[in-house]
Amino acid sequence: DQQVKQNSPSLSVQEGRISILNCDYTNSMFDYFLWYKKYPAEGPTFLISISSIKDKNEDGRFTVFLNKSAKHLSLHIVPSQPGDSAVYFCAASSSGGSNYKLTFGKGTLLTVNP
Amino acid sequence: KAGVTQTPRYLIKTRGQQVTLSCSPISGHRSVSWYQQTPGQGLQFLFEYFSETQRNKGNFPGRFSGRQFSNSRSEMNVSTLELGDSALYLCASKSQGSNYGYTFGSGTRLTVV
Repeated sequence: DQQVKQNSPSLSVQEGRISILNCDYTNSMFDYFLWYKKYPAEGPTFLISISSIKDKNEDGRFTVFLNKSAKHLSLHIVPSQPGDSAVYFCAASSSGGSNYKLTFGKGTLLTVNP
Repeated sequence: KAGVTQTPRYLIKTRGQQVTLSCSPISGHRSVSWYQQTPGQGLQFLFEYFSETQRNKGNFPGRFSGRQFSNSRSEMNVSTLELGDSALYLCASKSQGSNYGYTFGSGTRLTVV
């Protein structure tokens, strides 16, 4: 049972345009969401996160939107740059003293074309 | 500040053997997690340790085990290796109170032949 889904395996965008990466989740207990970026032969790098008490979090070119009723979040990258080309993973976690794990989606390969 | 260090980077083992992977977290980080990444399943949680105690474990068979030492360094062990254990094994650490922003190492690529 895949609790975090990234339904688009890949996305291609022109440099300077907006990239929108989507993520859906099924577990209502999830209350913290993160996005990671991964280059080949490297570990994932933390990008941005959002708590379920918010519906938007912004950090420079990266903005994450959370729609709790739809159990959907998205990552917007504006403007997109060729260096943003990587695999992007959505991850979720539930708070509480007994859960210290992240549940990841399978990733979306973003290609930004010059 | 040094990042999360995983050794070795690459490993080739034969089916039926066992393997031990090592992870040194960022200095001061006491929480260490392990993940398995495969093309088909993505990143899957193996276990998490804090102060030498396992606090959570994923849905992996008992052949997968881990431990954490008093200096927060961690090891994971896989016994009786199967071809399906071929994967990238990632270690991540974070400081207590951090908002889940785990820092990952570059991983150990295990190939079982």
